[in-house]
Amino acid sequence: NAGVTQTPKFRILKIGQSMTLQCAQDMNHNYMYWYRQDPGMGLKLIYYSVGAGITDKGEVPNGYNVSRSTTEDFPLRLELAAPSQTSVYFCASRSRDRGRDPYNSPLHFGNGTRLTVT
Amino acid sequence: EDKVVQSPLSLVVHEGDTVTLNCSYEVTNFRSLLWYKQEKKAPTFLFMLTSSGIEKKSGRLSSILDKKELFSILNITATQTGDSAVYLCAVRNNAGNMLTFGGGTRLMVKP
Repeated sequence: NAGVTQTPKFRILKIGQSMTLQCAQDMNHNYMYWYRQDPGMGLKLIYYSVGAGITDKGEVPNGYNVSRSTTEDFPLRLELAAPSQTSVYFCASRSRDRGRDPYNSPLHFGNGTRLTVT
Repeated sequence: EDKVVQSPLSLVVHEGDTVTLNCSYEVTNFRSLLWYKQEKKAPTFLFMLTSSGIEKKSGRLSSILDKKELFSILNITATQTGDSAVYLCAVRNNAGNMLTFGGGTRLMVKP
């Protein structure tokens, strides 16, 4: 049981390049999230998904896109990378526990992707 | 817009000291408050609080929520160097799907 797996761990992009950050979870979680964390700051939600085929914007979606074609995978796409997108990106997932409050399960985080745009 | 503010921003203590970390929040239709510990990589879950006045405890860590005054504290007693980390507080509203995180408190425990 690997939990939440993110790839790559590190990446350097030039301004205007594009890339996809991969996220996969093997816990059969319905809910998946992408956050970014800037130095010394908390986590800001970029996009989230409540299940396959459903995605929604978070606080800071501009410059990013997501898709959720399967329960396991939730890739984050950066088009036309900008220096402002230099950050650490975390993917997270949580279950929908039918036995309890479905909104009160904790997040499980991946180890992050450190992205630098120069 | 939901808001979470943590204090202090950073803290340096010596092993054996007791620390209290603060988290205040403004959220429409509060549902739960969560504490995470972040060392070098991913945040790891510590506590989830939904009811006022009920202390959650795990070893030397404990946390309590005050829904009337809109804050929570995280206490760490007999600190160890392994407690050095950033501690994150987050709140969830009744819409349920999003967590709003505070900026974190960076704790350094010196030997």
